[in-house]
Amino acid sequence: DAGVTQSPTHLIKTRGQHVTLRCSPISGHKSVSWYQQVLGQGPQFIFQYYEKEERGRGNFPDRFSARQFPNYSSELNVNALLLGDSALYLCASSLWSSGGETQYFGPGTRLLVL
Amino acid sequence: GESVGLHLPTLSVQEGDNSIINCAYSNSASDYFIWYKQESGKGPQFIIDIRSNMDKRQGQRVTVLLNKTVKHLSLQIAATQPGDSAVYFCAEIPLMDTGRRALTFGSGTRLQVQP
Repeated sequence: DAGVTQSPTHLIKTRGQHVTLRCSPISGHKSVSWYQQVLGQGPQFIFQYYEKEERGRGNFPDRFSARQFPNYSSELNVNALLLGDSALYLCASSLWSSGGETQYFGPGTRLLVL
Repeated sequence: GESVGLHLPTLSVQEGDNSIINCAYSNSASDYFIWYKQESGKGPQFIIDIRSNMDKRQGQRVTVLLNKTVKHLSLQIAATQPGDSAVYFCAEIPLMDTGRRALTFGSGTRLQVQP
């Protein structure tokens, strides 16, 4: 079985641009979460979706948005990019059902904002 | 806000020795804990988990201990191998009324295995 997949793997943008990152969860998983990992730190929670509904939002500005599609894949959008948005963006999927909270991570998308 | 932290930023051990990585958490509402391993350039990899109604859980070469009294987690790796070299994170999931089940991570401990 394929694990969590993310695209693209790397991305270079300039300040003010916007970016769309994509994630496909493990087959059968209905929940997707997004995390931002700045170099040298642990991942920080951005969004969590289950059955296409937002279940949680971390402490990120409104420039960050996300959505989940009927096939449970997800997109993370970031507008008006800042230098500080440079990071590894991680997607994680989980079953969500009782006892199924374990989140499995994809390889991430490394975003560099110049 | 409340967060998960780690005592030691870097741990260096000899190959074949046992490793112990410690973690303190502060959210008493957390009911689920996970250890992840992250190698350079890769996403975090699930190692082992434990629920708050347990004190100990064993996997292959790894054991997680949970002390709820002092809000402390530890990851024990037996017979540490060079392939174990990575950054290790503990993460917690607090039980929230909103239904959110998001992970809160600490800053990580780098494990270096000397051959």
